[in-house]
Amino acid sequence: RKEVEQDPGPFNVPEGATVAFNCTYSNSASQSFFWYRQDCRKEPKLLMSVYSSGNEDGRFTAQLNRASQYISLLIRDSKLSDSATYLCVASRGSNYKLTFGKGTLLTVNP
Amino acid sequence: NAGVTQTPKFRVLKTGQSMTLLCAQDMNHEYMYWYRQDPGMGLRLIHYSVGEGTTAKGEVPDGYNVSRLKKQNFLLGLESAAPSQTSVYFCASSSQGPDTQYFGPGTRLTVL
Repeated sequence: RKEVEQDPGPFNVPEGATVAFNCTYSNSASQSFFWYRQDCRKEPKLLMSVYSSGNEDGRFTAQLNRASQYISLLIRDSKLSDSATYLCVASRGSNYKLTFGKGTLLTVNP
Repeated sequence: NAGVTQTPKFRVLKTGQSMTLLCAQDMNHEYMYWYRQDPGMGLRLIHYSVGEGTTAKGEVPDGYNVSRLKKQNFLLGLESAAPSQTSVYFCASSSQGPDTQYFGPGTRLTVL
């Protein structure tokens, strides 16, 4: 079983829609979690960290459930510019190595 | 504001040839990483370094070597390239904590 698994997608949604991405991790020793965004043929960039208490950044909300080993990302009022691949990421150990999910492609249509 | 840069951006090799990919960062980061990204596989860690003069193996180290002689540079070497090493290679760096990992623009390598 892969250490970080995501919805395979792809997701195609209209502008203004709400879309949710789900992710599970298998290693209970994972300590930190993130969502990265990757535009086509570009490098990944940190979108937001994920905390047990949940965190929000504008239209984006991330949640972590350690008991279920589950992470989510909610995007409200989708914009065309949200079209990208969203990568679920887990980290463990003192060397800050990141383990990436395969990513979920989102396309927001006009 | 350069951040993390990678050289070259594109390269085509023949099987058996060697090459070195250069990663440079100007943020005085201690930690540096090399990943490869393949369709359907996601990003996988090849090697990493926790400081100048140190290197360690990641998830998929076979066929690659690395060196960190200077804090700002992390080199990835392919001694004898194979078609299975056709991929996009990303370098990243971070200071303290995984949430500060910054990626370079990538190197697209094709091995024929």
